[in-house]
Amino acid sequence: DGGITQSPKYLFRKEGQNVTLSCEQNLNHDAMYWYRQDPGQGLRLIYYSQIVNDFQKGDIAEGYSVSREKKESFPLTVTSAQKNPTAFYLCATPSFTGELFFGEGSRLTVL
Amino acid sequence: KQEVTQIPAALSVPEGENLVLNCSFTDSAIYNLQWFRQDPGKGLTSLLLIQSSQREQTSGRLNASLDKSSGRSTLYIAASQPGDSATYLCAVRIWGGADGLTFGKGTHLIIQP
Repeated sequence: DGGITQSPKYLFRKEGQNVTLSCEQNLNHDAMYWYRQDPGQGLRLIYYSQIVNDFQKGDIAEGYSVSREKKESFPLTVTSAQKNPTAFYLCATPSFTGELFFGEGSRLTVL
Repeated sequence: KQEVTQIPAALSVPEGENLVLNCSFTDSAIYNLQWFRQDPGKGLTSLLLIQSSQREQTSGRLNASLDKSSGRSTLYIAASQPGDSATYLCAVRIWGGADGLTFGKGTHLIIQP
């Protein structure tokens, strides 16, 4: 089936550690996005990539890093510099009509 | 900067009622507007996409309308069912908006059996 796969679904991190969230899509879409969702807030854009080997900062990029070496993959690293990393992270990709499709999300908890 | 507001923030209605969820946006130069459903702990599921040239879209019991001039969209749910309980989010993309969509905070809907 075509879709977006995020892993892991749940992740626990100690303070000072970097963690990487995986996002893979087999929809052959060019663009991919990472959003963060906190209770009571709308989704906020972390990073986005329009094409392989290119990515741009979103509204809340500080403390995060990404890479886009393959069309299918857009991993997000939450670094120790991110001051409040506990959140629900969502990866998404738009179709050619602009319809946005999401993965199931990854919940990161800092212990 | 585009701002998206959803009213009400929460809604609880008995099963079988027809209901309307509201979404307003500040910049009318939108490329499209999308409605999503989110179940607890899950990702967002696309419900309806309305392009800027369209006035409404329908899927089953769902109907979404778009009025760009007034900066409003509504999601109409007919004959509500307990399975419709979820958070509904709307999001807009502006023209030239390579950085994705701007989201509202959602309406948390509970359908009472």
